[in-house]
Amino acid sequence: TQLLEQSPQFLSIQEGENLTVYCNSSSVFSSLQWYRQEPGEGPVLLVTVVTGGEVKKLKRLTFQFGDARKDSSLHITAAQPGDTGLYLCASLKTSYDKVIFGPGTSLSVIP
Amino acid sequence: DVKVTQSSRYLVKRTGEKVFLECVQDMDHENMFWYRQDPGLGLRLIYFSYDVKMKEKGDIPEGYSVSREKKERFSLILESASTNQTSMYLCASSSRLGSNQPQHFGDGTRLSIL
Repeated sequence: TQLLEQSPQFLSIQEGENLTVYCNSSSVFSSLQWYRQEPGEGPVLLVTVVTGGEVKKLKRLTFQFGDARKDSSLHITAAQPGDTGLYLCASLKTSYDKVIFGPGTSLSVIP
Repeated sequence: DVKVTQSSRYLVKRTGEKVFLECVQDMDHENMFWYRQDPGLGLRLIYFSYDVKMKEKGDIPEGYSVSREKKERFSLILESASTNQTSMYLCASSSRLGSNQPQHFGDGTRLSIL
């Protein structure tokens, strides 16, 4: 069974700082998704990466898929309090498998 | 916008009760999912359904059952609630199984079993 690891588990930073969170697996992903879950709400998809080495940008968020498709990172520039939430990575091992979620990184951005 | 609606935000039940959690989606999605979310464990799949009257076990189906009589509605049933089923339950839907389509989540039901 594929397992996803995320690090760090918790992160508390000041507004304006940069940060990177990571998602890793021992298996190859067919694709990987990043979700953000705000307190009291369900997760919402941020991005899907499919190709090894792919980089996608969403405003201040930069997502990278590892060349070997076994890891991914999310970098946030100049974090804002609105970035606070739980960041979850999710993967499909093959095109016909269920989605597997990592345990998440809980981010708190202090004004 | 896709809307996934869970019937209750908070629910308190007693050990041994039969508990029903309801989920409705308005986007004609084929696939629906039930997860539970616990601190440090992420989202764990309980059951999913890829069509009306079809269901598949997820990673932790023990103690749960599901029903999908209509395409838009997916119900999770705790046959005899136990305290270790206290958790946040999330329902999701998506347009195709195993594709890169996003899962759309409801806001969750926080269930406490006393």
